[in-house]
Amino acid sequence: DQQVKQNSPSLSVQEGRISILNCDYTNSMFDYFLWYKKYPAEGPTFLISISSIKDKNEDGRFTVFLNKSAKHLSLHIVPSQPGDSAVYFCAASVRNTGKLIFGQGTTLQVKP
Amino acid sequence: NAGVMQNPRHLVRRRGQEARLRCSPMKGHSHVYWYRQLPEEGLKFMVYLQKENIIDESGMPKERFSAEFPKEGPSILRIQQVVRGDSAAYFCASSPPSGNGYTFGSGTRLTVV
Repeated sequence: DQQVKQNSPSLSVQEGRISILNCDYTNSMFDYFLWYKKYPAEGPTFLISISSIKDKNEDGRFTVFLNKSAKHLSLHIVPSQPGDSAVYFCAASVRNTGKLIFGQGTTLQVKP
Repeated sequence: NAGVMQNPRHLVRRRGQEARLRCSPMKGHSHVYWYRQLPEEGLKFMVYLQKENIIDESGMPKERFSAEFPKEGPSILRIQQVVRGDSAAYFCASSPPSGNGYTFGSGTRLTVV
């Protein structure tokens, strides 16, 4: 039972363009959603989060949008840079548990 | 301020041996979480511990796996009688008592041969 899904295993974009990574969820008991970036042989690094009561959070080149009615969130990176190439994981925080549920990840490649 | 420290980074065990993975949380963090990542998959929650307490072990396999976070020293994830299917990357994360500010370590890559 996959509660958090990232349906695109990979995404390739040109440097300077927008990268849009998508994530769907099925559980309404999540209080926060988070995006992590992961390089090979390293642990996930926190990027940006959004509370379930918000619909947008922006931090520099990164913006996360939350559509609660569609149970969908997306991460926008603009402009994309080659250093953004990594695996991006969407995660949902289960309310009052400390537990995170992760999606399968999307590999982003930004071409120079 | 050192981040979450995991060791060893790589661990090779033969089938039937025991694997011990260690995690030292960030300074000031009293909550520790263990996750496992199988190849081509996302991270899966295993266990959540506070000092001397297991808070949630709903993601732990019923047999062979155990975890502890003693009053002194690192958190330990122990896998007894390892099998090939235990080969994975095991990540530890820590957070302060508020639960916010989850920080992951670099992981331990376990290979069972």
